[in-house]
Amino acid sequence: GQSLEQPSEVTAVEGAIVQINCTYQTSGFYGLSWYQQHDGGAPTFLSYNALDGLEETGRFSSFLSRSDSYGYLLLQELQMKDSASYFCAGWMDSSYKLIFGSGTRLLVRP
Amino acid sequence: DAMVIQNPRYQVTQFGKPVTLSCSQTLNHNVMYWYQQKSSQAPKLLFHYYDKDFNNEADTPDNFQSRRPNTSFCFLDIRSPGLGDAAMYLCATCPGTSSPNEQFFGPGTRLTVL
Repeated sequence: GQSLEQPSEVTAVEGAIVQINCTYQTSGFYGLSWYQQHDGGAPTFLSYNALDGLEETGRFSSFLSRSDSYGYLLLQELQMKDSASYFCAGWMDSSYKLIFGSGTRLLVRP
Repeated sequence: DAMVIQNPRYQVTQFGKPVTLSCSQTLNHNVMYWYQQKSSQAPKLLFHYYDKDFNNEADTPDNFQSRRPNTSFCFLDIRSPGLGDAAMYLCATCPGTSSPNEQFFGPGTRLTVL
């Protein structure tokens, strides 16, 4: 089947670095995206990896390893406003849709 | 600004009373999606349209239907809402020119079923 697994919750201190992991199981895979969602808000796109390696966008970076069926989102210089839920989402087959992971709730403490 | 708009933001309906949620977009994107999201869960895809081609998820209940009369608008109809249908309903779009990886979400409609 197609599924993406993430830790349910991560806590980190303001200014620190945190890594949110995502592992996936699928028979076909085209790419991995990351979305941020604040409480009561809509998901917003953060980054996308089609190829293995690291993609950097400001304080956020995303990594993909196809051989390991694994990716992660790295958040640096954490700010209080980064407290939110983070979802990985996989483009898993030839259809034009994403499968969302279970989501990780990030709590940034002062 | 180009955007995805959902109306209403909050909808209250009674058990079994049909309800329609609407979504419009000014992005001129080919693909539109409807997701259901319950508290502390991931968005769950209900349907998507690639242009006029309708794609229904296998586990979407028959109680849910959708219409896309033109590029800009998409509607979600819930024929007989049950208590379990109370959720946030998210509409999203993407250009449809390369990949579905960057989707643009509307603010959502929070549905309450009494």
